Amino acid sequence: AQSVTQPDIHITVSEGASLELRCNYSYGATPYLFWYVQSPGQGLQLLLKYFSGDTLVQGIKGFEAEFKRSQSSFNLRKPSVHWSDAAEYFCAVGAGGGNKLTFGTGTQLKVEL
Amino acid sequence: DGGITQSPKYLFRKEGQNVTLSCEQNLNHDAMYWYRQDPGQGLRLIYYSQIVNDFQKGDIAEGYSVSREKKESFPLTVTSAQKNPTAFYLCASSPFAGETQYFGPGTRLLVL
Repeated sequence: AQSVTQPDIHITVSEGASLELRCNYSYGATPYLFWYVQSPGQGLQLLLKYFSGDTLVQGIKGFEAEFKRSQSSFNLRKPSVHWSDAAEYFCAVGAGGGNKLTFGTGTQLKVEL
Repeated sequence: DGGITQSPKYLFRKEGQNVTLSCEQNLNHDAMYWYRQDPGQGLRLIYYSQIVNDFQKGDIAEGYSVSREKKESFPLTVTSAQKNPTAFYLCASSPFAGETQYFGPGTRLLVL
């Protein structure tokens, strides 16, 4: 069965600092990987996705993520965080061609001004 | 504007009552999904539908029911058998099964 681990429940960074959110997955074949962001009381917005090809993927709002098969990781990065990036971030893995997305438990990002 | 709408934004349920959450999409997507979100637990799949008149149980289907009579609509009923219904419910759709899922704004269900 597929699974996703986001080891950091809460992260606090200063505005302008760099950010890395960790995501580790368990899946037998090549996974489909996603990062979503959720503001309080809102739905989820897709930041970026990896299906195949280049392992460094660019997303919206200046985010990027790198797929590392050897480490079963898909970490999200941003070089300079803005106060508006404060939200909860979810990593998800899909079975590719199947229906099931499995989500991590999320990382709550706080940005200090 | 294309998108996914969920209504109502807040819903209150009395003991023993069934309530229905609405989900509508005008993206012409074939597949639709319902998730439940609880604090600290991420999202868990309740039901999904790949095409009209077909749906499958997800990981936590007990106490819930769905229908898919139209491509654009996938309502979720929370029945009285669901003993702990208080949660944030999210609907999603994708062009077809296995493709990227896009989410609605959610409905928060509270028990009186």
